[in-house]
Amino acid sequence: GAVVSQHPSRVICKSGTSVKIECRSLDFQATTMFWYRQFPKKSLMLMATSNEGSKATYEQGVEKDKFLINHASLTLSTLTVTSAHPEDSSFYICSARGEAGTGPNTGELFFGEGSRLTVL
Amino acid sequence: GDSVTQMEGPVTLSEEAFLTINCTYTATGYPSLFWYVQYPGEGLQLLLKATKADDKGSNKGFEATYRKETTSFHLEKGSVQVSDSAVYFCALEGGRRALTFGSGTRLQVQP
Repeated sequence: GAVVSQHPSRVICKSGTSVKIECRSLDFQATTMFWYRQFPKKSLMLMATSNEGSKATYEQGVEKDKFLINHASLTLSTLTVTSAHPEDSSFYICSARGEAGTGPNTGELFFGEGSRLTVL
Repeated sequence: GDSVTQMEGPVTLSEEAFLTINCTYTATGYPSLFWYVQYPGEGLQLLLKATKADDKGSNKGFEATYRKETTSFHLEKGSVQVSDSAVYFCALEGGRRALTFGSGTRLQVQP
């Protein structure tokens, strides 16, 4: 079964509202999680690196106040898209790395199934 | 910065045909290289990897060799099956331990 779970898989919201996407590592602890955004027919673009217990590190050009990332535990990171607009519509994917001694295939990066956000 | 370029798809092949998906990269230092596969409705899965020059990664009949001189990591399979239909992503891992992905190549194998 999947070792990284994302929820929800699909979400539709109205412009101006906020949406939270959860990323959970199953059966292993992930001190580091990564959030990607995928545009149609484009590559996955790294948005931020989420570190448990500390602030996320955002890539250049990603608005930290718009894409809030919280990594409150070793198995959960959340991405909140605040005041969503139609241009935020995209496919968001998280990944988590199993650290030494904490789970399967130590060091391998596992990916969630992705969350498709549509902002009307 | 780091970047990965892979051939655009879609690639349409008949069953048992030979597959090549080209991938080239630019990076500082000596990155690790990966191929990921995404089946319809599923998340990305690691297909194979190579961590140093001349290494060959292989899995499920797929192979790719880390060519430092040509900065390439082309994916090959001698005989594709319908079940191989998916999107394939080439990626590299640089110093920050995050992956840089290519744009993905959709493979459609017809019976």
